[in-house]
Amino acid sequence: GQQLNQSPQSMFIQEGEDVSMNCTSSSIFNTWLWYKQEPGEGPVLLIALYKAGELTSNGRLTAQFGITRKDSFLNISASIPSDVGIYFCAGQDGSGNTGKLIFGQGTTLQVKP
Amino acid sequence: DTGVSQNPRHKITKRGQNVTFRCDPISEHNRLYWYRQTLGQGPEFLTYFQNEAQLEKSRLLSDRFSAERPKGSFSTLEIQRTEQGDSAMYLCASSLRRGFQETQYFGPGTRLLVL
Repeated sequence: GQQLNQSPQSMFIQEGEDVSMNCTSSSIFNTWLWYKQEPGEGPVLLIALYKAGELTSNGRLTAQFGITRKDSFLNISASIPSDVGIYFCAGQDGSGNTGKLIFGQGTTLQVKP
Repeated sequence: DTGVSQNPRHKITKRGQNVTFRCDPISEHNRLYWYRQTLGQGPEFLTYFQNEAQLEKSRLLSDRFSAERPKGSFSTLEIQRTEQGDSAMYLCASSLRRGFQETQYFGPGTRLLVL
């Protein structure tokens, strides 16, 4: 079945540093989504990407939909303590009727003040 | 608050008992999804509805699981004869499908612990 490989698995950085994480897939996706999840809560949408090559920003966050449609990355600039959490990428094959999401394993981010 | 809501937020039950969770999607969203998330993993798809029709079920959804969306609005997920392996976070998401574009918004989840 479809699988997403997300890396790195965890990061421990100093406040103010930039962060980069990525996802790769063996399958093509038509939509890539990035979510952040905090303990005991549901995932919160950060960025949605709908076109290959698309580069989208949301404040200090920037994400890109890879040209091959098999990968995506998320960058966080000038990290702050509230960026702590687990970041998930998710791919969606929207070509058929199903819209189910396939998730990566998550990147746990810790920020040292 | 017009986001996705789920109830209860937490449920502790004994093995063999039945449990039911409820999800209220964002108003006018035509699609509703259920996912299961275990510790240290990303969410895994269980099933989804378009309006009141259940269109797809994962192999993860054993015959002890049943989901309904009777009027195309809220949905319920029932687990019969719970097992310890059912302990997980159950997440609901809703979306408005337009052409091939669709963005899912998640609720806060229901954390189930089966003793």
